[in-house]
Amino acid sequence: QKEVEQNSGPLSVPEGAIASLNCTYSDRVSQSFFWYRQYSGKSPELIMSIYSNGDKEDGRFTAQLNKASQYVSLLIRDSQPSDSATYLCAVSRGGADGLTFGKGTHLIIQP
Amino acid sequence: NAGVTQTPKFQVLKTGQSMTLQCAQDMNHNSMYWYRQDPGMGLRLIYYSASEGTTDKGEVPNGYNVSRLNKREFSLRLESAAPSQTSVYFCASSLTRGELFFGEGSRLTVL
Repeated sequence: QKEVEQNSGPLSVPEGAIASLNCTYSDRVSQSFFWYRQYSGKSPELIMSIYSNGDKEDGRFTAQLNKASQYVSLLIRDSQPSDSATYLCAVSRGGADGLTFGKGTHLIIQP
Repeated sequence: NAGVTQTPKFQVLKTGQSMTLQCAQDMNHNSMYWYRQDPGMGLRLIYYSASEGTTDKGEVPNGYNVSRLNKREFSLRLESAAPSQTSVYFCASSLTRGELFFGEGSRLTVL
């Protein structure tokens, strides 16, 4: 059974601070890792993908991957109220059989 | 460029009725997916189609059937709807490496 675990939150962070979101996964053969953002009532939107150990930066977002620890994280620097959303961690074995999603972390950025 | 288009966006059914959710993508993606999203359960894969002409079961296929009509279109059918199928349904497509792009969702209520 492939599982992806996230703290459901809510995680409350002051505006301008760093938001840190964490995710662990159970399937050791997972090859691809993704972070999606989902606003209330909307569809998930891909914001970051990471495929190898280490850090990947894209603007205010940094994804971190540690395959040995089966751990993925997302850092959001200079958090803005518009970052308030549910963040979904997803993993894949790298084929076309879809992603396994965590249940998401609800992030609230306090102005 | 519309991306992934789902119809209908809202539907109310009575128990035992049937319906088909339609999905079309204009990104020339090979793979297409149907997920359902329920409160507290996250996104769960119902069926997927890795390429035109193929379909496979996901995590929660019972009560559903799918058809990959051509490369663009992937439909989901409920033959005899049950209240447990009340959910938000998302269609998604992917070119490679698991990066899914989602439609806007279809909110289904079964009474």
